[in-house]
Amino acid sequence: QSVLTQPPSVSGAPGQRVTISCTGSSSNIGANYDVHWYQQLPGTAPKVLIFGDTNRPSGVPDRFSGSKSGTSAALAITGLQAEDEAHYYCQSYDSGLSASVFGGGTKLTVL
Amino acid sequence: EVQLVESGGGLIQPGGSLRLSCVASGFSVSSNYMTWVRQPPGKGLEWVSIIYSGGTTYYTDSVKGRFTISRYISQNTLFLQMNSLRADDTAVYYCARVDPNYFYYMDVWGKGTTVTVSS
Repeated sequence: QSVLTQPPSVSGAPGQRVTISCTGSSSNIGANYDVHWYQQLPGTAPKVLIFGDTNRPSGVPDRFSGSKSGTSAALAITGLQAEDEAHYYCQSYDSGLSASVFGGGTKLTVL
Repeated sequence: EVQLVESGGGLIQPGGSLRLSCVASGFSVSSNYMTWVRQPPGKGLEWVSIIYSGGTTYYTDSVKGRFTISRYISQNTLFLQMNSLRADDTAVYYCARVDPNYFYYMDVWGKGTTVTVSS
């Protein structure tokens, strides 16, 4: 059971918009700790998509965006493309655990 | 080029020990926060340990007392000493650099090394 809760799977057709939620609590996201999002393609290391809630590293398309409100965060992907099919993970810090925590991951399927 | 390369994984019996290495290039391990993250087969990511630039270390509860994170400055290398290994330690282990400006933001990742604990 992950401290941060993500839907196991989401799907969308090419060109559509999808969102992936990340629900935490008052000891992590709700305590205003940064939320980061990573994309993991099969057999590869995670790659950062969003850091510090809403920031995109250089090279990440602006189709990817992050948001945070209360005890939840979300990753939005617009203009869905076949190469977006991957696992996505949110990450934050939990003061109760004194540890970094990841969501359980969400598998995105492009129909 | 900024890069991390892990090594040291392999097949080890329960109760055994293994030391993972992570060689950094393009930046200094000692001047940065460095962390280990693992991923069991078919499962999600799990944070394992972190070492701050000042040397302070933290661990996830499941590895406390068994794993030790350290660094060798002259070789620009991060280590993870793993003792009393258990089957549930089986995973791909990634090292990553942590950007100190954003809490636990892992901006550079290695490709990982696989640890299998089995008799």
